[in-house]
Amino acid sequence: QVQLQQSGPGLVKPSQTLSLTCAISGDSVSSNSVTWNWIRQSPSRGLEWLGRTYHRSKWYNDYAVSVKSRISIDPDTSKNQFSLQLNSVTPEDTAVYYCGRRGAGAIDYWGQGTLVTVSS
Amino acid sequence: DIVMTQSPLSLPVTPGEPASISCRSSQSLLDSNGYNYLAWYVQKPGQSPQLLIYLGSNRASGVPDRFSASGSGTDFTLKISRVEAEDVGVYYCMQPLQIPLTFGGGTKVEIK
Repeated sequence: QVQLQQSGPGLVKPSQTLSLTCAISGDSVSSNSVTWNWIRQSPSRGLEWLGRTYHRSKWYNDYAVSVKSRISIDPDTSKNQFSLQLNSVTPEDTAVYYCGRRGAGAIDYWGQGTLVTVSS
Repeated sequence: DIVMTQSPLSLPVTPGEPASISCRSSQSLLDSNGYNYLAWYVQKPGQSPQLLIYLGSNRASGVPDRFSASGSGTDFTLKISRVEAEDVGVYYCMQPLQIPLTFGGGTKVEIK
């Protein structure tokens, strides 16, 4: 059974960096058949896909255009986890952030969610 | 980006009665491999979205058989044959065919 456990601060100051980690059990971040994603949810934007990392003989990333200049999603094979960094945050980045595994045809496993509030 | 449009926004239902939710995509989700890349989720208060249906019509593990889904191309439907009280929540469709993955706006199912 795959489980995703999120960790990271729930409060970030404007202009600073949001950092979250998603620890994986029951699968490998280096798997060649899935992708590892970050998604956020807010009342104003609904569910919004932010980006992914995945391994297919080498590492790849894809990011949403809306955050492409500010985001980094990185795997950590030694800890079997992946992370999200979002720079220069504003109050508009306040949301519940989820990590998720994209398996055959869907995001089939989700983290528990982390409410991140951007406020001074 | 593929735009996902759901209807209705809100769906009051009577326990034991059927319910149906529609999802339309701005582009076809039918891949050359014959699969429709459309998934359905339910999100209950305070929880993460939970996968119900993948590849258009396949129930995820543990999903009761009162949930079914159909459709192809750009038009899809999720049906609950007999609604139970535990089915309340917000239902979302999602397309994993193209990056960026995109979601519908949600349909709130509530008991009358």
